[in-house]
Amino acid sequence: SAVISQKPSRDICQRGTSLTIQCQVDSQVTMMFWYRQQPGQSLTLIATANQGSEATYESGFVIDKFPISRPNLTFSTLTVSNMSPEDSSIYLCSARSGSDYNEQFFGPGTRLTVL
Amino acid sequence: KQEVTQIPAALSVPEGENLVLNCSFTDSAIYNLQWFRQDPGKGLTSLLLIQSSQREQTSGRLNASLDKSSGRSTLYIAASQPGDSATYLCAVLNQAGTALIFGKGTTLSVSS
Repeated sequence: SAVISQKPSRDICQRGTSLTIQCQVDSQVTMMFWYRQQPGQSLTLIATANQGSEATYESGFVIDKFPISRPNLTFSTLTVSNMSPEDSSIYLCSARSGSDYNEQFFGPGTRLTVL
Repeated sequence: KQEVTQIPAALSVPEGENLVLNCSFTDSAIYNLQWFRQDPGKGLTSLLLIQSSQREQTSGRLNASLDKSSGRSTLYIAASQPGDSATYLCAVLNQAGTALIFGKGTTLSVSS
């Protein structure tokens, strides 16, 4: 299994600013993902973080708003840009190693509040 | 487009009761299905992974079944305890996609 850590665990930010969330996995993984969980809702996939290339974004999410980096097989960052109160959510990093038949693991999440 | 539905949305039971949580999905072309537990304000803990070729998986008091052809999975919790109180999420990995797609979850409350 993979152990995933995220920093920061929570933050309170002002509208119009940006926040970068870091995700570290304790082993090399094939796939890394970023999800959003809005208050009282389930998880929505933002994007797949691709090593050494641009992330693959889901419908409704764009690179200018949520730039993602993945410089190696164990680390990724998600930036939430030009924040508004609607961006207040939990942001979760996730990873899966090996084949598509393997278990997917999640980090503890970053709780973001935008004022 | 794959859709995952979980019923009921909330469930309250007394301690010791056996219970079943339901999950259905619209596209049967999946690699696997995972059940997760989420405690309030926390991340997700993986409970069980069922491959598309499997019918069920067991871990302790938990048993998950999968009927891929009908697009259904159940999570059976035996002898429930107050510590089982949490939100339970079902997620599927499509053959056509790369990441898990989640249902909205069932929030379970077990009273002592």
